Amino acid sequence: DVKVTQSSRYLVKRTGEKVFLECVQDMDHENMFWYRQDPGLGLRLIYFSYDVKMKEKGDIPEGYSVSREKKERFSLILESASTNQTSMYLCASRSGQGTIGYTFGSGTRLTVV
Amino acid sequence: GESVGLHLPTLSVQEGDNSIINCAYSNSASDYFIWYKQESGKGPQFIIDIRSNMDKRQGQRVTVLLNKTVKHLSLQIAATQPGDSAVYFCAENMGQAGTALIFGKGTTLSVSS
Repeated sequence: DVKVTQSSRYLVKRTGEKVFLECVQDMDHENMFWYRQDPGLGLRLIYFSYDVKMKEKGDIPEGYSVSREKKERFSLILESASTNQTSMYLCASRSGQGTIGYTFGSGTRLTVV
Repeated sequence: GESVGLHLPTLSVQEGDNSIINCAYSNSASDYFIWYKQESGKGPQFIIDIRSNMDKRQGQRVTVLLNKTVKHLSLQIAATQPGDSAVYFCAENMGQAGTALIFGKGTTLSVSS
């Protein structure tokens, strides 16, 4: 069964900490995405990557960065966590070969205190 | 940017009823639409998709209707079951290769026995 795996289901971090959210896919997909999900706001795109070492800003990149050193792994980094970054973070991937729909991970619920 | 929206944030139905979840999209160039289901504590899962050259597509107990004239998308669930309780999202692909999907805000479907 193909999978997108997010390393943590729940995280609690302190304000100012540097936070790493990890996402790994086993489908050899070229494209990977990070979204945050908030009540009433739906899914908002933070960053995405079309290939290794490539990245593109989404709609809300401020306060975040990403790393894609290997094809299967896409990391989201909160350089200095703030309380307004408390949210559900969803990683997704898709093949770059014509498939449009995503496969999602189960999400990481991050609380910044 | 342009976004996909859903008409109602919540929908409550009785078991056995048919459910209709609506979505309005704003980009007439969008060529592909997807419905996702997200159960509590899980990532979104693909339900059904439709291309812009189609008006209707049926799956198992689900039907998606696309009205390009008014830029409206709907998901119909027949004989709704308690297991259908979830948040439902529509997503659009804006017709450009490699672009990220744009998601609506979601409708929470509650099914009572």
